[in-house]
Amino acid sequence: DAGITQSPRHKVTETGTPVTLRCHQTENHRYMYWYRQDPGHGLRLIHYSYGVKDTDKGEVSDGYSVSRSKTEDFLLTLESATSSQTSVYFCAISRGQGGTDTQYFGPGTRLTVL
Amino acid sequence: QQQVKQSPQSLIVQKGGIPIINCAYENTAFDYFPWYQQFPGKGPALLIAIRPDVSEKKEGRFTISFNKSAKQFSLHIMDSQPGDSATYFCAATSGGYQKVTFGTGTKLQVIP
Repeated sequence: DAGITQSPRHKVTETGTPVTLRCHQTENHRYMYWYRQDPGHGLRLIHYSYGVKDTDKGEVSDGYSVSRSKTEDFLLTLESATSSQTSVYFCAISRGQGGTDTQYFGPGTRLTVL
Repeated sequence: QQQVKQSPQSLIVQKGGIPIINCAYENTAFDYFPWYQQFPGKGPALLIAIRPDVSEKKEGRFTISFNKSAKQFSLHIMDSQPGDSATYFCAATSGGYQKVTFGTGTKLQVIP
């Protein structure tokens, strides 16, 4: 998985609780991304980062926030988890070398919100 | 808003068959079209990619066909094997733009 780890790998939580997912890379890639994967929707971008402390929203950012204080770590926080946020979350990284850049994905975190 | 439409949603073929997965796009600014392969419990991984100035690209048993005028592209898997059973995503990006737009995925099952 291209030097990308995600933690936790599985989590069950209750509605209304905050949840933080962590992505850690050892590749020193500039760009990091958070996606969610749901049946019938494919992969949808939540937030991405183009450098330390530089982040931007994706297409499904409502209810999520991110932070990147170090090149290697990108955190995704669900401020108050809802059942609609039950999903598999993937972190990805890329070098940031233009439109042909390959994205490398982590192993995913399966989140269940009861 | 789904900018890359992918079909079929699922596909079952016999070993040796040639599954075909189709994708269509609207945004003419897209200029790079990767395909990702995902096995159960794993993250997606780049399989093959094409630029729109090329009509076909082959890598091993995997071929992308690209029709720029129709804004359509497809993945063909020659001599498919049970090990090809996975979910396949088409995707599109625009030059210098780091965000990738994914299709909804096709779950392929190759039966022996």
